[in-house]
Amino acid sequence: EVQLVQSGAEVKKPGESLKISCKGSGYSFTSYWIGWVRQMPGKGLEWMGIIYPDDSDITYSPSFQGQVTISADKSINTAYLQWSSLKASDTAMYYCARGTFSGSSRVRWFDPWGQGTLVTVSS
Amino acid sequence: QSTLTQPASVSGSVGQSITIPCTVTSSDVGGYKYVSWYQQYPGKAPQLMIYDVSNRPSEVSNRFSGSKSGNTASLTISRLQTEDEADYYCYSYINYNTLVFGGGTKLTVL
Repeated sequence: EVQLVQSGAEVKKPGESLKISCKGSGYSFTSYWIGWVRQMPGKGLEWMGIIYPDDSDITYSPSFQGQVTISADKSINTAYLQWSSLKASDTAMYYCARGTFSGSSRVRWFDPWGQGTLVTVSS
Repeated sequence: QSTLTQPASVSGSVGQSITIPCTVTSSDVGGYKYVSWYQQYPGKAPQLMIYDVSNRPSEVSNRFSGSKSGNTASLTISRLQTEDEADYYCYSYINYNTLVFGGGTKLTVL
């Protein structure tokens, strides 16, 4: 079974750092993109960035460039999303998802999705 | 800058059909060919319903279908059931650095 399993919920204070993870199984982790998607409370899906674990090729959404860091460790089939200094506005559910591509296209669709990691930032 | 525009809400009665449009605004409309749709229940992760405009994963009901005409892609749900009540998002890969989700549509089944 192809699945992505994300790390558990986090409660942090403003200014703290955080790294959440997304572990893939049941498929060749280095042959698909991994995308990170934010969903703020009561809001829609926002694409944050994608990474190709085989060579760590990364593209960030302009909205998130410089705000987060995406990385991957292909030896353990895991992708990461990290913050160096959290803000209250980072409070959201974060999803990872596997991205299928072909040719020069990046991600034609996302499937499956991880279960989500809820990040709460509050003083 | 590319955006995908969906209506905030749609509604339909059990047994009826509804269509959710997703219109792209982009300087690179030619890239609007990889459209997918996702269903999301409250508190759950999104699930792929349609990919590449009109293809349906094997596990998805054939009541769900997708199409595209010009700048607008559409998701149609026929023979509405109460279990279809959820949020629906369109997504498209536009070009090398542009991936975008629509704002989402809340479907209410009456």
